[in-house]
Amino acid sequence: QPQLQESGPGLVKPSETLSLTCTVSGDSISGSGYYWAWIRQPPGKGLEYIGSIYFRGDTHFSPSLKSRVTISVDTSKNQFSLNVTSVTAADTAVYFCARHDHGVQSPLMSWGQGTLVTVSA
Amino acid sequence: QSVLTQPPSVSGAPGQRVTISCTGSSSNIGAGFDVHWYQQLPGRAPQLLIYGNSNRPSGVPDRFSGSKSGSSASLAITGLQADDEADFYCQSYDSSLSGSVLFGGGTRLTVL
Repeated sequence: QPQLQESGPGLVKPSETLSLTCTVSGDSISGSGYYWAWIRQPPGKGLEYIGSIYFRGDTHFSPSLKSRVTISVDTSKNQFSLNVTSVTAADTAVYFCARHDHGVQSPLMSWGQGTLVTVSA
Repeated sequence: QSVLTQPPSVSGAPGQRVTISCTGSSSNIGAGFDVHWYQQLPGRAPQLLIYGNSNRPSGVPDRFSGSKSGSSASLAITGLQADDEADFYCQSYDSSLSGSVLFGGGTRLTVL
């Protein structure tokens, strides 16, 4: 199983852009069938799917977040990234990166430990 | 509000059996998309518990089992143990609105 590690600022101001990176080790981000996902969890609440990307650029997004979310992949660094624009307090959450092993409909087999992002002035 | 509906909480005594339901619709579970289940221990990342409706990853005890019928799925846990206490989430895929991964709202299991 690969190791996934989220990184990025823990504090973002309202109306600004939240940016996180997930570094993958132990496997290639270009592996066939692997879709790389972002999921978030507001404090005390459930899991919310944000989106997924294939190394060739195919993306899937939650309809509720699609207008504010960008996901990209950097195969040279074995990383993928998340940008969420125009953040509000409602975007405060633990953000997880994870991997679908066989396409976006397959389960999320591997997860990062998560990183808390707080939106506050 | 999640499109996949789970009970907010379930409870049982050690050794007992509990079930957690996950109710969807004709555009997700009812359309034939697989259901996967995750266990999230306090302060930890979710961990895959059941995949493809009823399959257990290596290392998951056979006390955990999954099933699917129509637009619903269920997770059963037998021989409850204190360290089973956690949040459980179902996950599937929805074909409406250009398609998206869905999570249920989550169920908190309390071992009495």
